[in-house]
Amino acid sequence: NAGVTQTPKFRVLKTGQSMTLLCAQDMNHEYMYWYRQDPGMGLRLIHYSVGEGTTAKGEVPDGYNVSRLKKQNFLLGLESAAPSQTSVYFCASSLSPYNEQFFGPGTRLTVL
Amino acid sequence: DQQVKQNSPSLSVQEGRISILNCDYTNSMFDYFLWYKKYPAEGPTFLISISSIKDKNEDGRFTVFLNKSAKHLSLHIVPSQPGDSAVYFCAASGTSYDKVIFGPGTSLSVIP
Repeated sequence: NAGVTQTPKFRVLKTGQSMTLLCAQDMNHEYMYWYRQDPGMGLRLIHYSVGEGTTAKGEVPDGYNVSRLKKQNFLLGLESAAPSQTSVYFCASSLSPYNEQFFGPGTRLTVL
Repeated sequence: DQQVKQNSPSLSVQEGRISILNCDYTNSMFDYFLWYKKYPAEGPTFLISISSIKDKNEDGRFTVFLNKSAKHLSLHIVPSQPGDSAVYFCAASGTSYDKVIFGPGTSLSVIP
């Protein structure tokens, strides 16, 4: 039982490059979330999903896209990376918004 | 416009004493509150929660108090231990929400 895993753990991109972050959970959770953590800003919600095939925007969705084709996976895409997207990205999953969220270990992304 | 506020970015406490972390919220529709703990280079982990039908919830050394009229909650850690040194996030959700709003976090240092 791995919980929530994230791939990759670290990545350095140049401005304008694209990449996809993969989140996988093995707890059969309906809800999945992508957050970014920046100093002094806490955890800000980028996009989330309430079930397979669904996605919704969070607080800071601009510049990101997501897909949830399978219940266990939630992908976060950056089509054209910008230095402002340098951050630590966390994925999480939960049974519902009222249940605890289980977080992955994070992906540290640097955009030069 | 921050809906969940943690006005103390940092807190330093002597080992064995009480740590009190505070959280304020602005939206009266929130009715479920959670605390998460985060160590460096790891994802946040769930600590304790409270629903609005209660004003106190206890789990070992950790107690959360909720004052609905003041829209304020606090996390008490007694006694504080060096291993409690981490960033603590307050989070809120509600019946009409399908996501959780996080505060900016408070960094707790417990001095041996």
